[in-house]
Amino acid sequence: SQQGEEDPQALSIQEGENATMNCSYKTSINNLQWYRQNSGRGLVHLILIRSNEREKHSGRLRVTLDTSKKSSSLLITASRAADTASYFCATARTGFQKLVFGTGTRLLVSP
Amino acid sequence: DSGVTQTPKHLITATGQRVTLRCSPRSGDLSVYWYQQSLDQGLQFLIQYYNGEERAKGNILERFSAQQFPDLHSELNLSSLELGDSALYFCASSIGTGDRYGYTFGSGTRLTVV
Repeated sequence: SQQGEEDPQALSIQEGENATMNCSYKTSINNLQWYRQNSGRGLVHLILIRSNEREKHSGRLRVTLDTSKKSSSLLITASRAADTASYFCATARTGFQKLVFGTGTRLLVSP
Repeated sequence: DSGVTQTPKHLITATGQRVTLRCSPRSGDLSVYWYQQSLDQGLQFLIQYYNGEERAKGNILERFSAQQFPDLHSELNLSSLELGDSALYFCASSIGTGDRYGYTFGSGTRLTVV
């Protein structure tokens, strides 16, 4: 079963705009991770935020984590056509070793 | 190239057959994870190995089995294949046993059962 649910399921924007994706999860976690998947290819790790962190930046990516609401958001600033992909959140549940992936957000960035 | 090598990239086989998917983890990584990705089920965790030992099991069918060898490569065996087993199978690796590190994914094996 899926631990995380991303919202929206699909997002279409223009180059230069910001893209925000949200992830909600159900249980206590050690950390939350975001991955990108280009069509039919392997997932690429983007960023990891620990349960005691509230915000983290990496280049054009900004991730927030609100453990009280069991939610996270991924913001991609100044998006590019190359950002077109599916984005997944994955949670590392306390006491468990495996990552559980959400359902993903399909992002389309048009030139 | 992520450093995780999966072979073959594509596999087409008939129902009832048996196939073996292979994964070589990134150099230095001791954990290997197998995931199945299908359109209706999303990305499902199957099984994890750490340094040759099974560490966690997910929604893996009894028809499926896996192992990790002393050189750390792993194989996923799928038998008595059904049409519903058609999916992308991903292998991922990480340094440790747990979830404190990001995973490095291979490019996957696309299995089509006809």
